[in-house]
Amino acid sequence: EAGVAQSPRYKIIEKRQSVAFWCNPISGHATLYWYQQILGQGPKLLIQFQNNGVVDDSQLPKDRFSAERLKGVDSTLKIQPAKLEDSAVYLCASRGTSAFRTDTQYFGPGTRLTVL
Amino acid sequence: KQEVTQIPAALSVPEGENLVLNCSFTDSAIYNLQWFRQDPGKGLTSLLLIQSSQREQTSGRLNASLDKSSGRSTLYIAASQPGDSATYLCAVRGTASKLTFGTGTRLQVTL
Repeated sequence: EAGVAQSPRYKIIEKRQSVAFWCNPISGHATLYWYQQILGQGPKLLIQFQNNGVVDDSQLPKDRFSAERLKGVDSTLKIQPAKLEDSAVYLCASRGTSAFRTDTQYFGPGTRLTVL
Repeated sequence: KQEVTQIPAALSVPEGENLVLNCSFTDSAIYNLQWFRQDPGKGLTSLLLIQSSQREQTSGRLNASLDKSSGRSTLYIAASQPGDSATYLCAVRGTASKLTFGTGTRLQVTL
């Protein structure tokens, strides 16, 4: 099966600009996650969707970050306006409900954002 | 709030050596613990998942153990190879299905 797709792979912007990331999860996966991974740290959950509803967005900086998952498939994460501290890799993951791997999250390659 | 710590932060070993990576967590009320591998510029790949009722899981040269009561897990890699060079991340899942990650151990296996 195809993996989790993300685009773009790299993005360089100046502070106060806007940026959007796109994620296409594994077909049939109802749960989708966005993580932020700052250099030298582990991934931190930003938002979790179940189909097109938000399950957890407690660590999403809502004054500048927004995310949506229309039709319960693809998802976009937006930052507006970006700050220097937003420089990180943004990872998308999805989870399905197979009989054997119900708890495994499958990760995409990530989008590396650099804010100058 | 769950906190996950991994020791050491970096490790360099010669090829063929056996090694142990450590992970500790503060809240023992976990659903499961997972070890991931991350290669530069790539996403995370799940290596082993241990349910809270289990004590260990094995896959090939990898063995992960879990002591939930003491808040510890270890990942044992036997007969290390240069292809094992990567960052290894430990993550615990609480009852809310949220994963909390450690900061990772960067492993370098030299020829």
